[in-house]
Amino acid sequence: AQSVAQPEDQVNVAEGNPLTVKCTYSVSGNPYLFWYVQYPNRGLQFLLKYITGDNLVKGSYGFEAEFNKSQTSFHLKKPSALVSDSALYFCAVRLQGGYQKVTFGTGTKLQVIP
Amino acid sequence: GAGVSQSPSNKVTEKGKDVELRCDPISGHTALYWYRQSLGQGLEFLIYFQGNSAPDKSGLPSDRFSAERTGGSVSTLTIQRTQQEDSAVYLCASSFGLAGGPSPDTQYFGPGTRLTVL
Repeated sequence: AQSVAQPEDQVNVAEGNPLTVKCTYSVSGNPYLFWYVQYPNRGLQFLLKYITGDNLVKGSYGFEAEFNKSQTSFHLKKPSALVSDSALYFCAVRLQGGYQKVTFGTGTKLQVIP
Repeated sequence: GAGVSQSPSNKVTEKGKDVELRCDPISGHTALYWYRQSLGQGLEFLIYFQGNSAPDKSGLPSDRFSAERTGGSVSTLTIQRTQQEDSAVYLCASSFGLAGGPSPDTQYFGPGTRLTVL
C-alpha cells in the first residue's frame, strides 16, 4: 500500500526566511508526487508536481520541491517566505500509469510570522 | 474558466436524515473524485468516476454512502441515515483523467461542502 508522511503538523517561519515543508512517501513503483495548498475556507489548489525528468520542480507562487529517490522524499521549499504563504499544505503520491489512486498526507500548517 | 463548484457550501442535518451533495466538475474533465476531510486528518478518498462509471469505489466507508454521475458531468454523493461521525468537509475534484489533455493527472478541487450531523 502506498503512503505519505508529513512529519510536522505545523511549521513556523519568520517572513523573509527560507521555508521547508517535509514529505516522505512509500510506493511500490515509480511515483508521481504532488503538492497542494489549502487556504482557510477554500478548496485545495495545485502547487506543483513531479512526473519524471529533472528532480527539482518549480511551481506556483515561487515554490519548488526536490524529488529524492534514495530518501523517498519530496520536500517543499521557498527561498523567502511571505505572510500570505500561511496555509495548510498537502503532499500526495500516486503510481505512474493509467488510473491510480492518489494518497494524501495529513497536511502541514505553515505559519509565516511577520 | 469556471472551476469545480459544489453545493451546498454548508449543510446541517439531524442524525438519521439523508443528505445529497452535488459537484459540478470543470468542463471537459472526464475524471471526478470525492474525498472527505476530517479535522486533523488528511484527505480520505471515497470514489473515482471516469465518465459515468465508477471503477474505484473502494473508499466508500459503508453502504450508507453512494454516488452517481450523469452525462459525464454532474455528480451527487448521497449519505443515507447520517451519523455524527459523517461530519466532515466533503471535497470534489476533477481532472482530464484517461481522456488525456494537458496535465491529465492534476486534480482541481472544489471549495467543499461542510456537513454537520447533529
